[in-house]
Amino acid sequence: SQQGEEDPQALSIQEGENATMNCSYKTSINNLQWYRQNSGRGLVHLILIRSNEREKHSGRLRVTLDTSKKSSSLLITASRAADTASYFCATARFLNTGGFKTIFGAGTRLFVKA
Amino acid sequence: ETGVTQTPRHLVMGMTNKKSLKCEQHLGHNAMYWYKQSAKKPLELMFVYNFKEQTENNSVPSRFSPECPNSSHLFLHLHTLQPEDSALYLCASSQGQVNSPLHFGNGTRLTVT
Repeated sequence: SQQGEEDPQALSIQEGENATMNCSYKTSINNLQWYRQNSGRGLVHLILIRSNEREKHSGRLRVTLDTSKKSSSLLITASRAADTASYFCATARFLNTGGFKTIFGAGTRLFVKA
Repeated sequence: ETGVTQTPRHLVMGMTNKKSLKCEQHLGHNAMYWYKQSAKKPLELMFVYNFKEQTENNSVPSRFSPECPNSSHLFLHLHTLQPEDSALYLCASSQGQVNSPLHFGNGTRLTVT
């Protein structure tokens, strides 16, 4: 079953506004990551938050993690047209086999209007 | 410019063809991955290699055959594919630790006719 599920599926905002995307997951995790994907390109890693962290910042990005609710949010402040892309959350967890898996959600499509 | 290079960028093949996708990473990473991205579906993890050894096969049909000759190169050999296999195939690499982020290539857009 899908591990990370983003909400909303699509978001349209004006340049300068803040964009908030949410992610929920089902099992225990070691970390949660956010990635960005421009159309037809590969994913680019944005930020990683470990399971023992509650909030993390990187430039205009702010990520929160609530392990009790199994949810995370990504906030992009002062959005720009160039932020238009799809955003994915991904969770990493150890497996019984000793390895680990990084599983992605279906993503939120963000459109920032100039 | 990504440190992970995938070729070709686009591929059209018939159901009876045999083709291969290539991935090369220049980041000194130990782990490499194949993901499949279909329209309106989450990324699906296909295969994981750590130090050239396959550590994960996510119930992928045998018409997809991976090969990892060294830590820098990863191939996906394709044969007798189905139209539903049309998708963007993404290669990624990482340092192979759970807190290591993935670095993706730009993918191969595969169309099976």
